[in-house]
Amino acid sequence: ETGVTQTPRHLVMGMTNKKSLKCEQHLGHNAMYWYKQSAKKPLELMFVYNFKEQTENNSVPSRFSPECPNSSHLFLHLHTLQPEDSALYLCASSQDEGARRVGTEAFFGQGTRLTVV
Amino acid sequence: QKEVEQDPGPLSVPEGAIVSLNCTYSNSAFQYFMWYRQYSRKGPELLMYTYSSGNKEDGRFTAQVDKSSKYISLFIRDSQPSDSATYLCAMRRAAGNKLTFGGGTRVLVKP
Repeated sequence: ETGVTQTPRHLVMGMTNKKSLKCEQHLGHNAMYWYKQSAKKPLELMFVYNFKEQTENNSVPSRFSPECPNSSHLFLHLHTLQPEDSALYLCASSQDEGARRVGTEAFFGQGTRLTVV
Repeated sequence: QKEVEQDPGPLSVPEGAIVSLNCTYSNSAFQYFMWYRQYSRKGPELLMYTYSSGNKEDGRFTAQVDKSSKYISLFIRDSQPSDSATYLCAMRRAAGNKLTFGGGTRVLVKP
């Protein structure tokens, strides 16, 4: 089992659909993240969860709704998306030990390639 | 101005050559610096991380940080075709866990 697993790998959805992306980490980490990677743009942090609590929402539109039921699972619920939301959505996890973190950096899943039609 | 600048490439080198990659940044609060490798249709994979200024070597990879110039580098020695990928620099402050990424440099190592 790989460290961070994302499903599905590919998703095509209409603008009126509701779908969810799933992420599961098997590394025993306590922090999980959603990133968006669009063509020719840097990775953009969307949400951060520490110990299941959301600690950062990087001005993400409400059509993206995260859920973190426990420290191993993270979901991204999608509804009424726009074509410009088409991108690679990456989940990551890390061990957050506060300000004195020492090199336990983020490990990424393979991503979900989302296409909104 | 972007917080982290990285030349998108592509950077094409012959097999066996040294690959030299770099990023510049504007936020002096960044303390931790990382390099990720991303193959096509895959997630980023952590290659190297360094704390503050200095060098770090791991096999064929050497990471350098010059905080006074706000400049970081990654060198790949004896490059192989399997090193062909996009290389992303990332950095963060001492506290918190928000990573700021460069746009990535695409590298092509030709046999």
